Amino acid sequence: SQQGEEDPQALSIQEGENATMNCSYKTSINNLQWYRQNSGRGLVHLILIRSNEREKHSGRLRVTLDTSKKSSSLLITASRAADTASYFCATDGLSGSRLTFGEGTQLTVNP
Amino acid sequence: DVKVTQSSRYLVKRTGEKVFLECVQDMDHENMFWYRQDPGLGLRLIYFSYDVKMKEKGDIPEGYSVSREKKERFSLILESASTNQTSMYLCASSLRGGLRASGRIGSYNEQFFGPGTRLTVL
Repeated sequence: SQQGEEDPQALSIQEGENATMNCSYKTSINNLQWYRQNSGRGLVHLILIRSNEREKHSGRLRVTLDTSKKSSSLLITASRAADTASYFCATDGLSGSRLTFGEGTQLTVNP
Repeated sequence: DVKVTQSSRYLVKRTGEKVFLECVQDMDHENMFWYRQDPGLGLRLIYFSYDVKMKEKGDIPEGYSVSREKKERFSLILESASTNQTSMYLCASSLRGGLRASGRIGSYNEQFFGPGTRLTVL
């Protein structure tokens, strides 16, 4: 079964607006990560939140984690055209170093 | 300051050819991974390695093999390429959990990706 599932699949907003993406997962985790992928490129790590954390900030990024609902959200504030990319959540399960990625949310920020 | 490199950005091969995809990282990471990415399917793990000469199957290992002879290099091999292996291939590396030392790059489980190889099999 898919461990990380993002919602929505695609999101289109105007520059300056906030963008919120959600991720749900099925099994217990140690941590959850968010990655960004520009078109045709590799993924870049954005932020990691541990299972005992509820919220984390990094610049314009805010991540929340609700382990009781097995869900996370990524908020990008004051979006810019350069934020246009696909965003993936990734979970690690409880053992090992492998991650399971969701299918991603395609964010388009219109200038 | 590119840290994970892949041998080719674009590759075109014919059905039945043996294909080698090379990945090199310069961060002294223990773990290395090969994924393929297809529209609507996200990233799927093919194989990973947590040490030299060690390998473990991921979710879709069929039709692939790997080689890790040196810590910095992880190779993905398609023994006999088929059209359904046309895809974007992504390599990644990460620190082994609990082994983070001063000066090493990355937090536990943070994966660093290469730019990807877009393979087309005709």
